[in-house]
Amino acid sequence: DVKVTQSSRYLVKRTGEKVFLECVQDMDHENMFWYRQDPGLGLRLIYFSYDVKMKEKGDIPEGYSVSREKKERFSLILESASTNQTSMYLCASSHHQPGQPSSGANVLTFGAGSRLTVL
Amino acid sequence: KQEVTQIPAALSVPEGENLVLNCSFTDSAIYNLQWFRQDPGKGLTSLLLIQSSQREQTSGRLNASLDKSSGRSTLYIAASQPGDSATYLCAVTSGSRLTFGEGTQLTVNP
Repeated sequence: DVKVTQSSRYLVKRTGEKVFLECVQDMDHENMFWYRQDPGLGLRLIYFSYDVKMKEKGDIPEGYSVSREKKERFSLILESASTNQTSMYLCASSHHQPGQPSSGANVLTFGAGSRLTVL
Repeated sequence: KQEVTQIPAALSVPEGENLVLNCSFTDSAIYNLQWFRQDPGKGLTSLLLIQSSQREQTSGRLNASLDKSSGRSTLYIAASQPGDSATYLCAVTSGSRLTFGEGTQLTVNP
């Protein structure tokens, strides 16, 4: 089974702290994604990456950055955490990019989520 | 911009009922549609993926249909069980993006 592992399930940080959320997948997927999920707003795409050292902004990249130094690892960085970044953060990976017509291969596999609270 | 709507937002049914969850999308130019399940405090688990050229997909007691021209998909759950209680989300791929609905929270009562 494809596994996407998010190292921290629950974090509590203070305003202004730098926060690292780590995500590792073990199926050699090219594509990795970071979403945040909030009540009433659903899942929103923060950043994504289609290759090592490649990154693209999603719909809400402000206040975030990412790093993809190795294919299996995609890190989300909050340079200076703020209270409005309190959320559930979900990492996902897929073999093919969304939009590539390949049966089953662009199924997204999600990690268990990281619930971040910023005080 | 693609928008995905799921109705109802919440649904409570007695065990054993057959039920239908609805998903609608505004832009019919999609590559595929996926249904996910999310348990409280957890990540999403992919249930079914329907390519734009397909009409339906089945997995066990789950059947998902797609009517691209009308911008609709349904997830049919047969003989519901308490273990089916979760939030069900649909997501459509259009262009290079996945757009999620907000989900339907399903409770199956014993």
